[in-house]
Amino acid sequence: QVQLVQSGAEVKKPGSSVKVSCKASGGTFSNFAINWVRQAPGQGLEWMGGFVPIFGAANYAQKFQGRVSITADISTSTAYMDLSSLKSEDTAVYYCVHRAPDTVVVPKRGWFDPWGQGTLITVSS
Amino acid sequence: QSVLTQPPSASGTPGQRVTISCSGSNSNIGNNYVHWYRQLPGTAPNLLMYKNNERPSGVPDRFSGSKSGTSASLAVSGLRSEDEAEYFCATWDDTLSGWVFGGGTKLTVL
Repeated sequence: QVQLVQSGAEVKKPGSSVKVSCKASGGTFSNFAINWVRQAPGQGLEWMGGFVPIFGAANYAQKFQGRVSITADISTSTAYMDLSSLKSEDTAVYYCVHRAPDTVVVPKRGWFDPWGQGTLITVSS
Repeated sequence: QSVLTQPPSASGTPGQRVTISCSGSNSNIGNNYVHWYRQLPGTAPNLLMYKNNERPSGVPDRFSGSKSGTSASLAVSGLRSEDEAEYFCATWDDTLSGWVFGGGTKLTVL
């Protein structure tokens, strides 16, 4: 079964960028649709965007358009989420999630399973 | 402000049945599947229910889901202490072209 392991926690300065990695195993990575969801302290879940390596295309939530980039390296089965122009409000746990099942091409027909363990990004001066 | 509306809290005593609601609109719940995720304190969410009422393997049949119109609900029967967690509903929104979540419901077993 699919497993996702994320990179470790980071502390960043306002205005800087952060790149979080998510290494996948247990399936054919090029068929995976990896999405990113974040959770601010004590808050709910917020979808940021998703990427399907085999299509080489990503789609993003409007809120993050122009500030987030989701990519993937098929050779290492690793997905990346790059968030720029960081603000204190970006302090959150960032999760990579696998949109199951792999046979579904249309995003709305899937669901998120499994989730990575989460990466805490703290934005502070 | 979440696109989907959930009560912030719910509670029950061991053995009781508790229901958590999730309200949306025609562009999200009304036209798409609803999924539920459970999050234990300090851990990542995990899938609890998918396609409105399908349980992943390992989820006991004490958990059930339903959807009607622009609302969905998750029911937990035979409440147990280990059911204490936060529960989130989620679905696709056709207008936003993206995934939306409820604000989460913290379930307490008294």
